[in-house]
Amino acid sequence: TQLLEQSPQFLSIQEGENLTVYCNSSSVFSSLQWYRQEPGEGPVLLVTVVTGGEVKKLKRLTFQFGDARKDSSLHITAAQTGDTGLYLCAGGVGAAGNKLTFGGGTRVLVKP
Amino acid sequence: KAGVTQTPRYLIKTRGQQVTLSCSPISGHRSVSWYQQTPGQGLQFLFEYFSETQRNKGNFPGRFSGRQFSNSRSEMNVSTLELGDSALYLCASSAAGSYGEQYFGPGTRLTVT
Repeated sequence: TQLLEQSPQFLSIQEGENLTVYCNSSSVFSSLQWYRQEPGEGPVLLVTVVTGGEVKKLKRLTFQFGDARKDSSLHITAAQTGDTGLYLCAGGVGAAGNKLTFGGGTRVLVKP
Repeated sequence: KAGVTQTPRYLIKTRGQQVTLSCSPISGHRSVSWYQQTPGQGLQFLFEYFSETQRNKGNFPGRFSGRQFSNSRSEMNVSTLELGDSALYLCASSAAGSYGEQYFGPGTRLTVT
């Protein structure tokens, strides 16, 4: 069974601060996706990383896939209140179908 | 393109009853997956349908079942409801040839009393 562990589970910061969320596993994934979920809504895809060592930037968000494709991180620079939400990582193994394994999530609260 | 739609958005059922949830994927997406989300267990994969066939299945009891129609719309059914089935049920669709990126609907909030 493949597991993805996210840390921390909860993060509360002031607007303008930086934060990093980690997603770790003992298993290798062919792709790693990050989603953000707001209350009352479904998760929204932020990014997909597929190559070991890959770094992707989405405005103030930086995503990194570990060299061994077992871990990933999400870094937010100068957080804004709009970044508040539940951040989820999900790993895919590339087999037929779309059976993703989701991490437990990191709840981020950005206070004004 | 219109997003993934789910109906109903909220549902209250009594223990022992059964329930059917509906999902319409993004136009052109042939893969539909269902997830259960609870505060304690997080987001857990139920099953995936592709071209009317179940392609992947999670670790849920047989009370949870699904199907997909020729227009890619999907339904999931839960029979003999238990209190522990109370959860947000999310449907997601995915395009062929992708890395399985999921486009989620808003979910159906099921409460079992």
